[in-house]
Amino acid sequence: QMQLVESGGGVVQPGGSLRLSCSASGFDFKIYNMHWIRQAPGKGLEWLTVMSYDETHKHYADSVKGRFTISRDNSKNMLFLQMNSLTTEDTALYHCGKEGFDCWGQGTLVIVSS
Amino acid sequence: DMPVTQSPSSLSAYVGDRVTITCRTSQSIGTYLNWYQHKPGKAPKLLMSRASNLQSGVPSRFSGSGSGTHFTLTISSLQPEDFATYYCQLGYSAVYTFGQGTKLEIK
Repeated sequence: QMQLVESGGGVVQPGGSLRLSCSASGFDFKIYNMHWIRQAPGKGLEWLTVMSYDETHKHYADSVKGRFTISRDNSKNMLFLQMNSLTTEDTALYHCGKEGFDCWGQGTLVIVSS
Repeated sequence: DMPVTQSPSSLSAYVGDRVTITCRTSQSIGTYLNWYQHKPGKAPKLLMSRASNLQSGVPSRFSGSGSGTHFTLTISSLQPEDFATYYCQLGYSAVYTFGQGTKLEIK
């Protein structure tokens, strides 16, 4: 059974940084592109970034380009999101998603507040 | 980022009704569009890929159509468990923008 579990969320001050992790199981992680998606309170889903299976390609939404960095460790079935220069607008539930979006994690909550 | 326009933003309907949700894009994307159902406290569920490919386990009352810039999701006969928020999403040329969402409520 495919499963994704996010971790690393928490409360951070504006201007701060946070690193999210996503642990994958139940599928061959190393052959799939992986995504991060978020949902701010009371708002819709927002796609953030994708990394190719072999780490050669990354794409970002304009809203996070230059501040967020996606990475992965295929030897450990892990996906990461390094978030820098956080603002209150980044407060959201952050999900990782498998290529094709047929598997999502439950999400990890990030709150940016002073 | 390529914008996606989803409508309506909310919809009230009765059990048994037929409802349609629409997404439009500014450029042709072929059939690279997904549909999701999202319930509070749960991860979004993929209903349809490539505009009209029903995912395994999704009831046949859900159907998708369209290509190019105009897409629709239709629920032929609403069931109580269908009341949720629905999203479309591009999946084209490394652009994965979501529509604004349609909240489907019981009338």
